[in-house]
Amino acid sequence: NAGVTQTPKFQVLKTGQSMTLQCAQDMNHEYMSWYRQDPGMGLRLIHYSVGAGITDQGEVPNGYNVSRSTTEDFPLRLLSAAPSQTSVYFCASSPDRASNQPQHFGDGTRLSIL
Amino acid sequence: GESVGLHLPTLSVQEGDNSIINCAYSNSASDYFIWYKQESGKGPQFIIDIRSNMDKRQGQRVTVLLNKTVKHLSLQIAATQPGDSAVYFCAEMKTNNNDMRFGAGTRLTVKP
Repeated sequence: NAGVTQTPKFQVLKTGQSMTLQCAQDMNHEYMSWYRQDPGMGLRLIHYSVGAGITDQGEVPNGYNVSRSTTEDFPLRLLSAAPSQTSVYFCASSPDRASNQPQHFGDGTRLSIL
Repeated sequence: GESVGLHLPTLSVQEGDNSIINCAYSNSASDYFIWYKQESGKGPQFIIDIRSNMDKRQGQRVTVLLNKTVKHLSLQIAATQPGDSAVYFCAEMKTNNNDMRFGAGTRLTVKP
C-alpha cells in the first residue's frame, strides 16, 4: 500500500495561472479531504468528500474547486492562483467520517504563487 | 469562533526525559481527539487518539490525557528520544461532523 500520494511535491505558479493538485489513495477510503498549512497556524480544511460523487466545503474553500469521480482520486483545482494561496497543501483520507477514525495524510505539495 | 490551541509553541527536553505537550480546546461538543506528529517535509502522522468517554489512553511510550471539565488535552511522551523531535498537533472533532479542527502545533526539540 502506498497510502496517500500527492503530486507534485513542489510547484511555483504566477498569479492568475491555474493548476490541479493531485491526490490518490489506495486504501479504499470513503472520506478524503484537503487542508492547507500556513506558518503559525494549524491545518485548515478546504474541501472534503464523504464518497465518490459527493463533495462539500470546509473552512476556507474560496478559490478552490474539487471533484470526486472515483473513490481513489480527489484533485484540488486552483482556478486563478493568488499570492495568498502560497501554502503547503495536504490531502488526507480515512475509512469514513462517522466512525471517528484518524486520517492518513500525504506528504504535501509546497505551492508558491509569485 | 471556537478553535483548538496550544499553550506553548516550543518545547525543549533532554534525551531520556519525559515530555508533556498541552492543548486547549474550546468546543465542548467535541468528542474525539487526536494527536499527530509532523516531521520536517512530511505530512502529519497519527500518534494516538481518545474519545470523550475516556480520560486516559496509553500507547507505546505515549499517553493522552483528556480533562473535559477544563477542556484540556495533553500528550505525554516517556523517555523522549531524538527521533521524537517534530511538531505535534492536537485535533478535535464532533462525531458525524466533517470538520476536524487542528491546533497550531508545538515544536518539540530533544537535546542529546
